[in-house]
Amino acid sequence: GAVVSQHPSRVICKSGTSVKIECRSLDFQATTMFWYRQFPKKSLMLMATSNEGSKATYEQGVEKDKFLINHASLTLSTLTVTSAHPEDSSFYICSARGPARGEPQHFGDGTRLSIL
Amino acid sequence: AQKVTQAQTEISVVEKEDVTLDCVYETRDTTYYLFWYKQPPSGELVFLIRRNSFDEQNEISGRYSWNFQKSTSSFNFTITASQVVDSAVYFCALSEKSGANSKLTFGKGITLSVRP
Repeated sequence: GAVVSQHPSRVICKSGTSVKIECRSLDFQATTMFWYRQFPKKSLMLMATSNEGSKATYEQGVEKDKFLINHASLTLSTLTVTSAHPEDSSFYICSARGPARGEPQHFGDGTRLSIL
Repeated sequence: AQKVTQAQTEISVVEKEDVTLDCVYETRDTTYYLFWYKQPPSGELVFLIRRNSFDEQNEISGRYSWNFQKSTSSFNFTITASQVVDSAVYFCALSEKSGANSKLTFGKGITLSVRP
C-alpha cells in the first residue's frame, strides 16, 4: 500500500525556535499533500493544502507566515513552524494522495511538537 | 456544507464482543466518497476503507464490515470478535469532490477500548 513518511516523529525545543517537518510519499507521486493539526482527544483540523510547485492554500484562521509550507516535488512537502511558542505545541500530521479519482489520503505517522 | 457526525464518543467492550461504530453524514453532492480511518495510540492514521456514493454494496474484510445506506446517510463500521489490538480512535470522513484537492471532513472520532 501507499506509504507516507513523516519526520521527525517528535520534537522538543525552546520557544522562538523554528521547526521543520518533512512529509514524503515513498512509493507514489503525491499530487496533493495536506497538513493537519490535532489537539489531544480531538479530531484532525486541516491547516493547508499544497500542490507540487504551487503556493499552499491555507484554511481560515491559519497564519501563513507562521506555518510555512513548501511542496517542492511530487514526493516531498515541508511544514516549517516559525518562531514557535508553547501554544504551537501539538500533534502535526501530513497526508498525501495521488491524482486518481476518489484516491484516499494516506497519512504519515505524525510529529509531536513540544515547545518549552 | 458537508458534515460527519459520530455520535458515540467512547465505547468499551470485552474481547470477542462485536461492536458497531456509527457514522452519519450530510452532503448536498450526489458524488462523494466516504472513508474510515483508524488511529492507534501511536498516533498514525491507518486507512481502512473507501466507498463512493454510487456503490452501496456492503463490504467485509476479515473481522471488519461496513454497512453503507444512502437512505439514512449512514456508513457504519462493525468489528466482529473484537481484539485488544482493535483499541484505537476511529474516524469516519467524507470527501465531496473527486479532484486532487478534495478535502476530507472528519467526524470527531470514536475511542474504542477493548478489554481482555
